Amino acid sequence: KAGVTQTPRYLIKTRGQQVTLSCSPISGHRSVSWYQQTPGQGLQFLFEYFSETQRNKGNFPGRFSGRQFSNSRSEMNVSTLELGDSALYLCASSYGTASRGNTEAFFGQGTRLTVV
Amino acid sequence: GIQVEQSPPDLILQEGANSTLRCNFSDSVNNLQWFHQNPWGQLINLFYIPSGTKQNGRLSATTVATERYSLLYISSSQTTDSGVYFCAVDMGTYKYIFGTGTRLKVLA
Repeated sequence: KAGVTQTPRYLIKTRGQQVTLSCSPISGHRSVSWYQQTPGQGLQFLFEYFSETQRNKGNFPGRFSGRQFSNSRSEMNVSTLELGDSALYLCASSYGTASRGNTEAFFGQGTRLTVV
Repeated sequence: GIQVEQSPPDLILQEGANSTLRCNFSDSVNNLQWFHQNPWGQLINLFYIPSGTKQNGRLSATTVATERYSLLYISSSQTTDSGVYFCAVDMGTYKYIFGTGTRLKVLA
């Protein structure tokens, strides 16, 4: 069974540009969530999608957005990149439930974004 | 919001030693997971343990939900156990809150 796939693995962008990261969840999983990891702030929740609906969003500016497609694949977009957006972005896949919070989450290898 | 605290922040062990990592959380949780982050950044699932005790080889975990803590035991540690260990909790809000991690270094 294939794991969670994130693309690209590494990315270098210039301040002011935008970037789109992709996540393909484990087959049959309907919930996808995104996390940002930085040395200073640790692992922080960005947003969660279940059946194409965003159910929760973390405390990030509106420059961070995401979406989920009907096949459960998800993308996140960061517009007007800032130096502080340099981080490891992790995607998590879980089977998901309609109303009882998270089920076991499995993480991808991450996308390491560097903003110069 | 819920606070998740892990201790100790850093741990250095000699190969073969045992250790206990602790995760305290400040509110009732629906789910709790332990992860090991490898040097390349991937979070590896260790345990999905909202309550009770589980064992997997040299590792075991116990969560006492009523007292709001979880413990991860590593026995007969190996150099490959080095890395950062995270606990993460979910309060039923579809997001995990991560602790700050325990950085473990096992010396040969």
